Amino acid sequence: AQSVTQLDSQVPVFEEAPVELRCNYSSSVSVYLFWYVQYPNQGLQLLLKYLSGSTLVKGINGFEAEFNKSQTSFHLRKPSVHISDTAEYFCAVSSLNTDKLIFGTGTRLQVFP
Amino acid sequence: DGGITQSPKYLFRKEGQNVTLSCEQNLNHDAMYWYRQDPGQGLRLIYYSQIVNDFQKGDIAEGYSVSREKKESFPLTVTSAQKNPTAFYLCATSSNRDPRDTGELFFGEGSRLTVL
Repeated sequence: AQSVTQLDSQVPVFEEAPVELRCNYSSSVSVYLFWYVQYPNQGLQLLLKYLSGSTLVKGINGFEAEFNKSQTSFHLRKPSVHISDTAEYFCAVSSLNTDKLIFGTGTRLQVFP
Repeated sequence: DGGITQSPKYLFRKEGQNVTLSCEQNLNHDAMYWYRQDPGQGLRLIYYSQIVNDFQKGDIAEGYSVSREKKESFPLTVTSAQKNPTAFYLCATSSNRDPRDTGELFFGEGSRLTVL
């Protein structure tokens, strides 16, 4: 069975500082990995995804993530955050032999001025 | 515009009443999903449907019902049997016709249900 762990439920950071949101997964087969962002009272939007190929994936709004197979991680990073990045971020995993996406419990990023 | 429309955005209901949340999509996606979101618990899958006239229970189906009579529509009914219905409900779709289907989901804006 697949699972996703987001160890940090909340990450406070000051504006223009770098940030890393951690995501670890478990799976016995090759995986696809996703990061979604959710702004208050809205649905989820796709930030970026890893399907295959280069392990460094660039997404929208200046975010990027690196797939590390040996550490089973897919951490999300941004070198300099803005107030507008305040939101909830969800990591998710799927594979060819599953019929649904498995989500982590989310990390709330709070950016302070 | 192509997309997923959930309605109503906000809904209030008295205890003991059933309520139906609408989800309509024009993305021509085969699969549709309903998630429930509570603070600190992430997204939990209620029901999903891979094809018209067929659906499967997710992790927390008790107290909910769905139908899939049309490809475009996947309404969710929150019944009086659901003990704690106050939550944010999200509808999502995915295309499973692509043999390289990755499971990527596309979400609606959500419906917030409050039981008074």
